[in-house]
Amino acid sequence: DIQMTQSPSSLSASVGDTVTVTCQASQDIGSYLNWYQQKPGKPPKLLIYDASNDASILETGVSSRFSGGGSGTGFTFTISSLQPEDIATYYCLQYDNLPYTFGQGTKVEIK
Amino acid sequence: QAQLVESGGGVVQPGRSLRLSCAASGFTFSNYVMHWVRQAPGKGLEWVAVIASDGSYKYNADSVKGRFTISRDNSKKTLYLQMNSLRADDTGMYYCARESDSPDVWGQGTTVTVSS
Repeated sequence: DIQMTQSPSSLSASVGDTVTVTCQASQDIGSYLNWYQQKPGKPPKLLIYDASNDASILETGVSSRFSGGGSGTGFTFTISSLQPEDIATYYCLQYDNLPYTFGQGTKVEIK
Repeated sequence: QAQLVESGGGVVQPGRSLRLSCAASGFTFSNYVMHWVRQAPGKGLEWVAVIASDGSYKYNADSVKGRFTISRDNSKKTLYLQMNSLRADDTGMYYCARESDSPDVWGQGTTVTVSS
């Protein structure tokens, strides 16, 4: 199975800051990686697909402040100009090989 | 728009069975691969199972292999998860998700509690 190592597990930043989360895959997964946002009591919401594509073109309500990058084994997820509504837990998911595997999650809080 | 609604969760004793359902609407269900994903209380997301659009291929996570069976009825636009020999560590929220190249649309989830 492909292991996804996500860091940090939590972070605290100020409104307006830029925050970055990373995911490291245990083997090459190309660009088969998504980023999701999950708020308490809600299902995950797709933000970034295929590592760097903005899901806002697929559905409404996804801010363009979210971006993703990377390929192979190293990936990043960035929130530019952090807003209070961005408080959530963020997960990466690899879908290159079954079983699909998630990162451990990053809880984002406002300082 | 595409919508998924899970049902069938509840409180069940260890060793018993439960069947979850996921009703789809707003898209052509029979064209899509479907998944189950779960989340233990306060924990991260865990992928559980996948089924091909026509039901011809299924794959389970090792943690549920031999106990859980994914299935679908395209005429009823419904996905199922038959869960047998339930254990305490199966407790959590269970989500169904549609795959459009990757999991994109998710249901609101149904809660399963395994406790004596």
